[in-house]
Amino acid sequence: DIQLTQSPSSLSASVGDRVTITCRASQSISNYLNWYQQKPGKAPKVLIYAASSLQSGVPSRFSGSGSGTDFTLTISSLQPEDFATYYCQQSYSSPLTFGPGTKVDIK
Amino acid sequence: QVQLQESGPGLVKPSETLSLMCSVSGFSISSGYYWGWIRQSPGKGLEWIGSVNHSGSTAYTPSLKSRVTVSVDTSKNQFSLKLTSVTAADTAVYYCARVFVVVPMGAYYMDVWGKGATVTVSS
Repeated sequence: DIQLTQSPSSLSASVGDRVTITCRASQSISNYLNWYQQKPGKAPKVLIYAASSLQSGVPSRFSGSGSGTDFTLTISSLQPEDFATYYCQQSYSSPLTFGPGTKVDIK
Repeated sequence: QVQLQESGPGLVKPSETLSLMCSVSGFSISSGYYWGWIRQSPGKGLEWIGSVNHSGSTAYTPSLKSRVTVSVDTSKNQFSLKLTSVTAADTAVYYCARVFVVVPMGAYYMDVWGKGATVTVSS
């Protein structure tokens, strides 16, 4: 199975801050990397697919980059509704796997 | 809009079979896509279980493959999960989801999710 690690595991930030979350794969996965946001008690919601494509309806302050083994999710200006846990997920090979998550909370 | 809803027992005894159903509204399963199950437990995070497409073709995660069956009933616009010989380690929130395939690259992501069903394994 392809292992995904995320850093940091948690971070505290203020509204308006630029936030960057990193996901690293245990082997090259090209750009087969997706990002999800999950709020407490809710299902995950896809933000970015194929490393850098913004899912329809997702605000443009979210962006993704990377290829191979190293990927980044960036929130350009953190909004109150962005405090949540973020997960990466690969679809390069079966089984699909998820990262352990990065919790973003209020400083 | 497309909506998914999980249903099934919230409590299952050890060694028994966990059975969940996912009802799809606003979209016909027969039209295509893959349909999957994902679970989330505090100890293991998000875990892909398996998927099925409209014609019944399945894929499972290897660690659960011997105990899992995912099937589809296009006449009822539903798909289901069965997990046999459950233990406390199978206690989790179980989500059903639609799996979107990005063509032509073949990448997959879950674009529509159910709200989740909490299943506890306990005697």
